Amino acid sequence: QQPVQSPQAVILREGEDAVINCSSSKALYSVHWYRQKHGEAPVFLMILLKGGEQKGHEKISASFNEIKQQSSLYLTASQLSYSGTYFCGTESQGAQKLVFGQGTRLTINP
Amino acid sequence: NAGVMQNPRHLVRRRGQEARLRCSPMKGHSHVYWYRQLPEEGLKFMVYLQKENIIDESGMPKERFSAEFPKEGPSILRIQQVVRGDSAAYFCASSRKDRRGNTIYFGEGSWLTVV
Repeated sequence: QQPVQSPQAVILREGEDAVINCSSSKALYSVHWYRQKHGEAPVFLMILLKGGEQKGHEKISASFNEIKQQSSLYLTASQLSYSGTYFCGTESQGAQKLVFGQGTRLTINP
Repeated sequence: NAGVMQNPRHLVRRRGQEARLRCSPMKGHSHVYWYRQLPEEGLKFMVYLQKENIIDESGMPKERFSAEFPKEGPSILRIQQVVRGDSAAYFCASSRKDRRGNTIYFGEGSWLTVV
């Protein structure tokens, strides 16, 4: 089942912060975050694993609440290059595939 | 170190023709995923394969669509008798091996237009 992302869209000024949430109704093993710019491939940002291991990006952080089956992506001091659509992908305990949320469109204005 | 390679990048087919999309995974990757993305929508899972084996095809339409990942050569997503609704971007992704929590990397996508 598809994870649910919120908000669906965010508009910020350069330098502001943003939080994107991802929740699932299933027990999760891992959460993966990607950013996609229009007409391009999704680019890997971050993976969070059950048990606390985290691999990711320098200026973007994330959390994974294994009890609530939720993850949040934190973008601080946003830059123009952060614009794009952010997708969370979840890997549930019972399945080996990565299923993506509907995406959150982030627009950064100067 | 080449990434995930997809071809063709753009493909135009008339209704009723066949479309074949190819994907070569990253070096050292033995698992391939196919996703479909309609304009302004999310990434919809289609199929997950390893060499000579389909692991999960729960997202594949029951008819006209098939996928394979042979022992030698690229993974192929085949769409027979295409219809206008098949127009979309098809992304392939690959990962190292069957271990949970592996990062998957996406190719540049193949944009199919059915006219």
